[in-house]
Amino acid sequence: GEDVEQSLFLSVREGDSSVINCTYTDSSSTYLYWYKQEPGAGLQLLTYIFSNMDMKQDQRLTVLLNKKDKHLSLRIADTQTGDSAIYFCAERDSGGYNKLIFGAGTRLAVHP
Amino acid sequence: DGGITQSPKYLFRKEGQNVTLSCEQNLNHDAMYWYRQDPGQGLRLIYYSQIVNDFQKGDIAEGYSVSREKKESFPLTVTSAQKNPTAFYLCASSIGEEAKNIQYFGAGTRLSVL
Repeated sequence: GEDVEQSLFLSVREGDSSVINCTYTDSSSTYLYWYKQEPGAGLQLLTYIFSNMDMKQDQRLTVLLNKKDKHLSLRIADTQTGDSAIYFCAERDSGGYNKLIFGAGTRLAVHP
Repeated sequence: DGGITQSPKYLFRKEGQNVTLSCEQNLNHDAMYWYRQDPGQGLRLIYYSQIVNDFQKGDIAEGYSVSREKKESFPLTVTSAQKNPTAFYLCASSIGEEAKNIQYFGAGTRLSVL
């Protein structure tokens, strides 16, 4: 079945760029998403990308999509302590109903 | 202010007890979802509803039940048949018939067993 994989941890220094990576298996996925979860809170949509795009930029966030390798990445420029959170990659299930398939999440720790 | 409200924030269940988690949205969304989150795992879909009076099982529906009598409300009951209910439960909603299917999430309910 479909699967989404992410590395579990990333530690960066404040002011550096963070790159969170994700691989997915469903080549028919039309949309891919990045969500952010702060401690004890729900998920907040950061950005999404349509499968016919290679890149999407939104202020400090850059999403890169490599459809051939089924690889998605999220780059956060000038990472701040407020960016410390869990980041989830998700793909839209192509199976016919509005289901999202989530990765396990990458915990980003930002240190001074 | 539009959004999704989940209550309570914390809930404790005694063995053999059914408990109900509330989810209300005022976004006028047709579709609503319940997910379970366990530490170190992604979100797993319990139930979803695309329209009022209709709902379908997700990947881990056993031990759970839902109802969708009103567009804005999608309560989840964790029954005594769910043997490992301790988890963080998230409710979401989306417009429904939209290609992007962006799902918006509530703040979650943390359920623990006494």
